[in-house]
Amino acid sequence: GAGVSQSPRYKVAKRGQDVALRCDPISGHVSLFWYQQALGQGPEFLTYFQNEAQLDKSGLPSDRFFAERPEGSVSTLKIQRTQQEDSAVYLCASSQNSNQPQHFGDGTRLSIL
Amino acid sequence: GQQLNQSPQSMFIQEGEDVSMNCTSSSIFNTWLWYKQDPGEGPVLLIALYKAGELTSNGRLTAQFGITRKDSFLNISASIPSDVGIYFCAGHRSEYGNKLVFGAGTILRVKS
Repeated sequence: GAGVSQSPRYKVAKRGQDVALRCDPISGHVSLFWYQQALGQGPEFLTYFQNEAQLDKSGLPSDRFFAERPEGSVSTLKIQRTQQEDSAVYLCASSQNSNQPQHFGDGTRLSIL
Repeated sequence: GQQLNQSPQSMFIQEGEDVSMNCTSSSIFNTWLWYKQDPGEGPVLLIALYKAGELTSNGRLTAQFGITRKDSFLNISASIPSDVGIYFCAGHRSEYGNKLVFGAGTILRVKS
């Protein structure tokens, strides 16, 4: 499709399990961003890639969170040893370059039991 | 860190009414954006503003980038039922990294 695609749409995991969330950005978009959105809040920045380089990971809440974009297109956000406070919607966005508007996917809703 | 204050938090509209919401910040931004988010979906870009004082329209939507670069407003004219949703403002400045800083959103509901 033409937009940002995220999978899975919903993920339920038990506390302590590892999860992996996938993002397919818009074709040709150099910049890719991950955001976390808690219920009733605006999205909060997690990390930013330009091509395959992770240029900013200042928003990752702990070292349990890890993101990669090895070939400069698809990206994966991995959360290890999940905790209940990790429950949120994880949004991916891409843009042609860092100064162009970001376009968002529909997110992955993660629930940790 | 940078914070955006969005108001009102929520509002009820009657079909046909004009709607106004705004966003203020203690920090300067070089770009202001307005997004709309429907339940279960990601934010959809409505309007992007790049210059202080800029006034931009997109159909029934009009947004302005404040002269001080610390605020923006969004107006919706002649509202219709599908305008219901959550509206977010977001600021961008390359000196803050390339992230967007979001407000907490304005929830638009329709009076029944």
